[in-house]
Amino acid sequence: EVQLVESGGGLVQPGESLRLSCAATGFTFSSFWMSWVRQAPGKGPERVATIKEDGSDSYYLDSVKGRFTISRDNADSSLYLQMNSLRAEDTAVYYCTRGNWASGYHFDYWGQGTLVTVSS
Amino acid sequence: IVLTQSPGTLSLSPGERATLSCRASQSVANNQLAWYQQKPGQAPRLLIYGASSRATGIPDRFSGSGSGTDFTLTISRLEPEDFAVYYCQQFVRSRPITFGQGTRLETK
Repeated sequence: EVQLVESGGGLVQPGESLRLSCAATGFTFSSFWMSWVRQAPGKGPERVATIKEDGSDSYYLDSVKGRFTISRDNADSSLYLQMNSLRAEDTAVYYCTRGNWASGYHFDYWGQGTLVTVSS
Repeated sequence: IVLTQSPGTLSLSPGERATLSCRASQSVANNQLAWYQQKPGQAPRLLIYGASSRATGIPDRFSGSGSGTDFTLTISRLEPEDFAVYYCQQFVRSRPITFGQGTRLETK
């Protein structure tokens, strides 16, 4: 059974940093692209960052470029999101998702999410 | 690419047919569009990918159709557990992946 379990969310002040982690089980982690998708209260989801299966390339939402870094450890089946210079508009539930390339790119498994609140 | 979903809220009764729309601001090549269902306090769940292919374990009362800029999710006979928020999502190579703003399906 595919499982994605996020951790690391919390309340931080504007300008501070936070590192999210995702532990993946039930599939061959090193064979899949992975993404972080966030959802602000009452809004639709928003793809934040995506990383290739071998970590050789990554893609970011324009508003987080230069502030967020996605990374992975295939030996440990873990995905990470380092978030620096956090802003109030980064407040959201952050989901770890598995990518699937069948008929385009979509997110076939999601974790339960971890809440990040940026507020003074 | 902006995805506009309509209606914003759809009020129906169990047993009725639901038709949800997703319109893209530009053509979605190769119909690379997906649909998700989200219930309160839960993560989104993949329903449909490639505009019309059902994901694993999704009942056949859910179906997707459309091409180009206009896509539709149809639920043939609503079950009580189908009342939720539905999102569409597009993939076009070299463009940012985007989601629609959602359609809330509520009990009439």
